[in-house]
Amino acid sequence: AQTVTQSQPEMSVQEAETVTLSCTYDTSENNYYLFWYKQPPSRQMILVIRQEAYKQQNATENRFSVNFQKAAKSFSLKISDSQLGDTAMYFCATYTGNQFYFGTGTSLTVIP
Amino acid sequence: DGGITQSPKYLFRKEGQNVTLSCEQNLNHDAMYWYRQDPGQGLRLIYYSQIVNDFQKGDIAEGYSVSREKKESFPLTVTSAQKNPTAFYLCATQTGAGTDTQYFGPGTRLTVL
Repeated sequence: AQTVTQSQPEMSVQEAETVTLSCTYDTSENNYYLFWYKQPPSRQMILVIRQEAYKQQNATENRFSVNFQKAAKSFSLKISDSQLGDTAMYFCATYTGNQFYFGTGTSLTVIP
Repeated sequence: DGGITQSPKYLFRKEGQNVTLSCEQNLNHDAMYWYRQDPGQGLRLIYYSQIVNDFQKGDIAEGYSVSREKKESFPLTVTSAQKNPTAFYLCATQTGAGTDTQYFGPGTRLTVL
């Protein structure tokens, strides 16, 4: 089975500042996808950003961007201009054809 | 209004009882999944179905059962054999096997009294 590791259980950031959440994974596959999902207090899982492993260019979605290092099997999420609504659990995940693997999550708090 | 619905939002069960959690989707997605979420453990896969009338066990299938009689529906039954069923349960869908991105329902919180 694949493993996804999020080594930061909790993080905080001042509003309007930038924060980076780390994620490493272990896979023997060559073709796979990587995701960051957000789970706010409502507990609804929301897709934040996705990355295709065969693409070298880092994905970007508005204030959210990733730093994908395939050789190092690292997939960090950068949130710029943090907003109060970014307060949530963030899960890193990989997908390799028929199953997702999720990390244990990072709880992010944005401080006003 | 397209989406994934899970009902009920909160569910209470006495020990020894079976209970069924509902998951319905009108996204016309082929694949459906059930996850269990416990504090500090992320999401763990219980069962998944890539096509009607077919489903596969995930990592923690013991004490659970599913059916997939219709494309739109993938109910999960938590049986009395599940030793620690209190958890948050999430249903997800995917366009089809081999495609990426899962979409999640709002979840059901199950508490065993």
